[in-house]
Amino acid sequence: NAGVMQNPRHLVRRRGQEARLRCSPMKGHSHVYWYRQLPEEGLKFMVYLQKENIIDESGMPKERFSAEFPKEGPSILRIQQVVRGDSAAYFCASAVAGGLGTYEQYFGPGTRLTVT
Amino acid sequence: GENVEQHPSTLSVQEGDSAVIKCTYSDSASNYFPWYKQELGKGPQLIIDIRSNVGEKKDQRIAVTLNKTAKHFSLHITETQPEDSAVYFCAASRTGTASKLTFGTGTRLQVTL
Repeated sequence: NAGVMQNPRHLVRRRGQEARLRCSPMKGHSHVYWYRQLPEEGLKFMVYLQKENIIDESGMPKERFSAEFPKEGPSILRIQQVVRGDSAAYFCASAVAGGLGTYEQYFGPGTRLTVT
Repeated sequence: GENVEQHPSTLSVQEGDSAVIKCTYSDSASNYFPWYKQELGKGPQLIIDIRSNVGEKKDQRIAVTLNKTAKHFSLHITETQPEDSAVYFCAASRTGTASKLTFGTGTRLQVTL
């Protein structure tokens, strides 16, 4: 069973360009979470999605950032008009509902975004 | 919202010794506490977790304890090996639609020969 897949692994964008990050969850997982990790820091929650629905976007900046998880295909995190402060590692995690309603989250390898 | 504090930030132990990492959380409604290991350039790897209806859980050389009253939980690694060297993160969450993980700031564990 393949793990969570993310691509690209590394992405370089100039200021003002768009960054599009993709995440394919583990087989059978219908819950996707996106987290951001700045250098030497912990992971910060951004958004939680289920198929075709945004469940919690409380950690997502109000402007320039958007996320989707369509019925078919990977989840996409889109950052428009990138700025240098967007440089970070972006991790996707997937989960399936457990018997006690708790979701074990399994992480992908991340996309390292560098804005020049 | 939830706040998770983690100590120490760095920890150096000799091979074969034990390592303990401690976390505290603020939200009394949190009921799920996973621990992740992150190696350089990789994504976090779930190594053990504990739910609020359990006080202790063990998996080979790794154990986690939870004190709900004090809002403390800890990771214990026994008989450390060089391959245990990594950054370890604790996290806390509720279940259901509020299941986002709130992470601690991480502990860099160095196991020396």
